[in-house]
Amino acid sequence: SQQGEEDPQALSIQEGENATMNCSYKTSINNLQWYRQNSGRGLVHLILIRSNEREKHSGRLRVTLDTSKKSSSLLITASRAADTASYFCATAGANSKLTFGKGITLSVRP
Amino acid sequence: ETGVTQTPRHLVMGMTNKKSLKCEQHLGHNAMYWYKQSAKKPLELMFVYSLEERVENNSVPSRFSPECPNSSHLFLHLHTLQPEDSALYLCASSQDTPGGSLFYEQYFGPGTRLTVT
Repeated sequence: SQQGEEDPQALSIQEGENATMNCSYKTSINNLQWYRQNSGRGLVHLILIRSNEREKHSGRLRVTLDTSKKSSSLLITASRAADTASYFCATAGANSKLTFGKGITLSVRP
Repeated sequence: ETGVTQTPRHLVMGMTNKKSLKCEQHLGHNAMYWYKQSAKKPLELMFVYSLEERVENNSVPSRFSPECPNSSHLFLHLHTLQPEDSALYLCASSQDTPGGSLFYEQYFGPGTRLTVT
């Protein structure tokens, strides 16, 4: 399946540190997206990277995509306590469906 | 916040009840989705409506029945549910292209926390 699998499942860091989360997938994609979910709430779209792009930035977020390795990473720099949330990668393939992974739980300690 | 609202936010129902979940989007989008989110599982796509027509039905049990009366509203009618149907039900919307490419970012509502007793 093209379902993204995030790694690690859980990450705990100190405020101010960088957080790196990885996503791997199995089939070719049109684009890959990262979402954030605060506890008990809906998902919020963070960033979309197309299959012909290698890197994208948005504020403190940096996303890379390596289609040869079928992997992506999300880097959050200078983390804050408010970044504590679950992060999901989602892949959009030829069948047009957006398929989500299980998510990564990020805890940022003040 | 995201332009997608869901009601109710919490719902407790017995297995013999009939209830409905409502979703409304104020973004002018033409595609809407229902997802089920259970603990420790990936988000499960249940139904997709594009231009008010159902384009995806991921083998969801018939006790879940969607309705999309127009591009801004989406309902999920529930009847004779099972305890394993307890989950967070999320609605989302996006802008579909004329060619039918549902590739773009989706905007989610806050979800309805459903508990089946």
